[in-house]
This record gives sequence, C-alpha cells and structure tokens, in this order.
Amino acid sequence: DAGVIQSPRHEVTEMGQEVTLRCKPISGHNSLFWYRQTMMRGLELLIYFNNNVPIDDSGMPEDRFSAKMPNASFSTLKIQPSEPRDSAVYFCASRSNYEQYFGPGTRLTVT
Amino acid sequence: GIQVEQSPPDLILQEGANSTLRCNFSDSVNNLQWFHQNPWGQLINLFYIPSGTKQNGRLSATTVATERYSLLYISSSQTTDSGVYFCARTWNDYKLSFGAGTTVTVRA
Repeated sequence: DAGVIQSPRHEVTEMGQEVTLRCKPISGHNSLFWYRQTMMRGLELLIYFNNNVPIDDSGMPEDRFSAKMPNASFSTLKIQPSEPRDSAVYFCASRSNYEQYFGPGTRLTVT
Repeated sequence: GIQVEQSPPDLILQEGANSTLRCNFSDSVNNLQWFHQNPWGQLINLFYIPSGTKQNGRLSATTVATERYSLLYISSSQTTDSGVYFCARTWNDYKLSFGAGTTVTVRA
C-alpha cells in the first residue's frame, strides 16, 4: 500500500487566499483525521471522520476552516481566507482498528 | 486530562550506542503507539504496542500496562535514527494523546 497520500507537500500563499489541502487515506481504513502541528502547540486534532461522516470537529479553529469527505478515498481541508497564523504543517491520518497512520504532511506558509 | 510524560526530553548519542526512551501515563495504557518524526517532518509508525514486547530490526518496545509505562529501545544507533520520538495513547475511542517527545541526535 502507498500509505496515506497528501497534496500538495508544500504550499506558500498570501494572506486572504483560499487554500485546499487534499488527502487520500489508506484503502480499507474507515477513519480519517486532520491534524495541525506547530512548535507552540504540538499536534492538534482538527477533525475526525468515521465512514465519511464528520464525528468530531471541535478542533477546527474557526469558521475559516472546513473539511469534507465526499467518499472513502478522498478528503479535503479548506482554509478561506487564510491568515499568517495558519502557517503550520497539516497532517492527514487514517486508522485501522486503533492504529493511526500519518501522511507526509503539507507545510503551509501564509505570508 | 490524560497525561503522557516522556523522558528524557533530549538525547545525544554517538553512532553505535544503545539507548532507552520512556513513556509514562497518568491513566491506563490504551492502544499505545510509538512514532518517529524524522528531520524532514514525516511521522512514521514504529510500533502499536498496547502490551508486551515487539521488535523490528534495531528497535524494540515494551509496554507494561499494569504499571502504566512503555519503553522504546534503540540499539546500535545510526545517524538516520535522529529525530523526535513520540508515544501516544488512544482515549475516548479515537483521540490520540501525544507526549512532548524525546529529541534524539545521533552523531557520526
């Protein structure tokens, strides 16, 4: 298996622009997670999907953030409008039973 | 909340040395995982080890659930072992509580 796939790997954008991050989970995994990692706050869970349904979005910082999972093999995390404080590494992870597997991450820089 | 304490916070090793990293939990050890975050930022699964001992090459891990701790052993360390090692446990069915990590630097 190719593992969790994320794109793009790096994104540099200007404040106010829309950013869309993409994730393909491991085939057969029915749980998908979006995390954000910063030096100050470490790894934070943003949203958790089970069987394509959002179960817990309490970690989504504010209304500028939205996530979708239209099918079992694809999810997006969108930030609109982006702000400099959104700069971080965003990870997608999928789960089989209780073991989570992380994608390579997207390094987002908002200038 | 769930507390996950890792020690030591930093470790500097000479290539070829062995080391032990520790993870203590304030609550039960549920579905413990060890990860390695390499210098490029990738989070790599090392072990899923809710109890017992597992080995994978030069790495091995032991979890003693009754005493709420887990150990990660690195033998014959190599420069590619550098990075941050995290332990994490599952709570509330899906949430992962991460420790602060142990930063390992292996010098040639």
